Amino acid sequence: EAGVAQSPRYKIIEKRQSVAFWCNPISGHATLYWYQQILGQGPKLLIQFQNNGVVDDSQLPKDRFSAERLKGVDSTLKIQPAKLEDSAVYLCASSLRGRGADMEQFFGPGTRLTVL
Amino acid sequence: AQKVTQAQTEISVVEKEDVTLDCVYETRDTTYYLFWYKQPPSGELVFLIRRNSFDEQNEISGRYSWNFQKSTSSFNFTITASQVVDSAVYFCALDDYKLSFGAGTTVTVRA
Repeated sequence: EAGVAQSPRYKIIEKRQSVAFWCNPISGHATLYWYQQILGQGPKLLIQFQNNGVVDDSQLPKDRFSAERLKGVDSTLKIQPAKLEDSAVYLCASSLRGRGADMEQFFGPGTRLTVL
Repeated sequence: AQKVTQAQTEISVVEKEDVTLDCVYETRDTTYYLFWYKQPPSGELVFLIRRNSFDEQNEISGRYSWNFQKSTSSFNFTITASQVVDSAVYFCALDDYKLSFGAGTTVTVRA
């Protein structure tokens, strides 16, 4: 079974530029998550989708970050404009369900973003 | 407030030594889930175990074992007879309404 796919793996941009990350979850997984992991810290949830609806985006900086999951499958996370403090690894994860049995999240390899 | 606290930032051991990683969590919910994830140098988080708040049975999987004590809000993880391949960052996480990770413990196993 294929895992969570993410692209690109690395991205370097200058501040105030825009950037987009793509994620394709494990087939059949209804729940998709985006996390931000700053160096030396644990991942922090940015947004959670259930199918194509948003369940939780309370920690998403909505003035510059946006995410969508059209058709309830793959997802895109965008930052516009980027700031220096956005330098981090952006992780996508998916799970069969949001709660209860089969709620384990499976993570992709991440996209390492460097903002100069 | 930090929901998940991992006491050790770094642990360094020699191969075949046992390693115990501490995790203390905080929640007001009676139904919650606890997890351990491993993040090797490649960067991809690997799921190790899930425990729900109603199941306090300890678990052993090969060289890995977990001790869940609700009374002390702890969910500790032990690697027995460590190997170099165990070198990674280990995260404890709590899901009461969303998944919150601890800061991680970096384990280095020296040959």
